[in-house]
Amino acid sequence: GNSVTQMEGPVTLSEEAFLTINCTYTATGYPSLFWYVQYPGEGLQLLLKATKADDKGSNKGFEATYRKETTSFHLEKGSVQVSDSAVYFCALSRSSNTGKLIFGQGTTLQVKP
Amino acid sequence: DTGVSQDPRHKITKRGQNVTFRCDPISEHNRLYWYRQTLGQGPEFLTYFQNEAQLEKSRLLSDRFSAERPKGSFSTLEIQRTEQGDSAMYLCASSLATGNHNEQFFGPGTRLTVL
Repeated sequence: GNSVTQMEGPVTLSEEAFLTINCTYTATGYPSLFWYVQYPGEGLQLLLKATKADDKGSNKGFEATYRKETTSFHLEKGSVQVSDSAVYFCALSRSSNTGKLIFGQGTTLQVKP
Repeated sequence: DTGVSQDPRHKITKRGQNVTFRCDPISEHNRLYWYRQTLGQGPEFLTYFQNEAQLEKSRLLSDRFSAERPKGSFSTLEIQRTEQGDSAMYLCASSLATGNHNEQFFGPGTRLTVL
């Protein structure tokens, strides 16, 4: 079946450090891939997306590239800030008919000043 | 538009009671989704509406769960005879289906605690 696996957290970094959160997926065909972020006390927000192989999604300094050959969609940021502290979810959407999302378990990022 | 809203934000109930949650999507969105999120896990899909039609239900959705979207606008999720295992965050999301991709906008969730 379709599934998403994320690296386990929590991830603790100092401000301005480089961030990578790994995400791999299992799916038939060509899913769309997403990163959602959940800040403390807030709802899920779409951070970035990629809809086909080799696409790079980017937003707020975060990037992720859709790698079909490695079935991965790793999230990166060159210099994290304290305000990036949140839970990050990788997700896929396999069916263009329903668009339902299949999420990974989430990775907590804590950035210390 | 203020985004997706959910009511109530928190619900505490005793085992065996019925509860109902409401979701108001973004007004022009024709798709509406319900997800359930337990502590330390990602959201899990429960059910999906396109306009007023419920087109897909997860196997997670037992017979005690029912969802409606009577006029293609707001939706309700009812849980009958609640069990402690129903304790979770219930999330609603909406989207406007265009082409092969639709961005889902999530509400703040309803946190259910079953005692």
